[in-house]
Amino acid sequence: DVKVTQSSRYLVKRTGEKVFLECVQDMDHENMFWYRQDPGLGLRLIYFSYDVKMKEKGDIPEGYSVSREKKERFSLILESASTNQTSMYLCASSLVGLAGAEQYFGPGTRLTVT
Amino acid sequence: AQTVTQSQPEMSVQEAETVTLSCTYDTSENNYYLFWYKQPPSRQMILVIRQEAYKQQNATENRFSVNFQKAAKSFSLKISDSQLGDTAMYFCAFIPHAGGTSYGKLTFGQGTILTVHP
Repeated sequence: DVKVTQSSRYLVKRTGEKVFLECVQDMDHENMFWYRQDPGLGLRLIYFSYDVKMKEKGDIPEGYSVSREKKERFSLILESASTNQTSMYLCASSLVGLAGAEQYFGPGTRLTVT
Repeated sequence: AQTVTQSQPEMSVQEAETVTLSCTYDTSENNYYLFWYKQPPSRQMILVIRQEAYKQQNATENRFSVNFQKAAKSFSLKISDSQLGDTAMYFCAFIPHAGGTSYGKLTFGQGTILTVHP
């Protein structure tokens, strides 16, 4: 089975802190994604990566950065957390080159910024 | 830009009955994929069913089937013989085919919370 894991299920941080969210997949997928999920807004893409050290901005990249040093690991970084970044963060992975490829999701990290 | 709209924030159904979740989308693309994903409470999101736009036959997966109306840009999900385990948030999603290659960027709808009552 494909497995996508995220470093924390719940996280509480203070405004201004630097926050790292880690995602690891074990299926050798090229594509990895970070989404945030908010009620009434569905999932919105923050960043994605299609290869090691490659990244592309999604729909809402402001206030976030990413790092992909190894194929299996994709990190989301909040340089200076703000209260409007309180949300559920979902990581996903998929095979590259197949538009209809299934995305496999992690369990999510619920981040609260106080 | 593509948009996906789910106009039903919440739905409920009795166990063993049938329920239909609605999804509409807007795109200028001619070929694309549509998906329904399921997110059970406190569990990981999983793929329920997918449809390729150029295929006229509606996709089915056991109790799950879709009604794909390309001209109307409508993609509804029908769940037959509803079970308690079907209780979840359901997301409709879209991706253009992009000539056979894609980075896999999905556009999601807002989600519909489905509750199955015993």
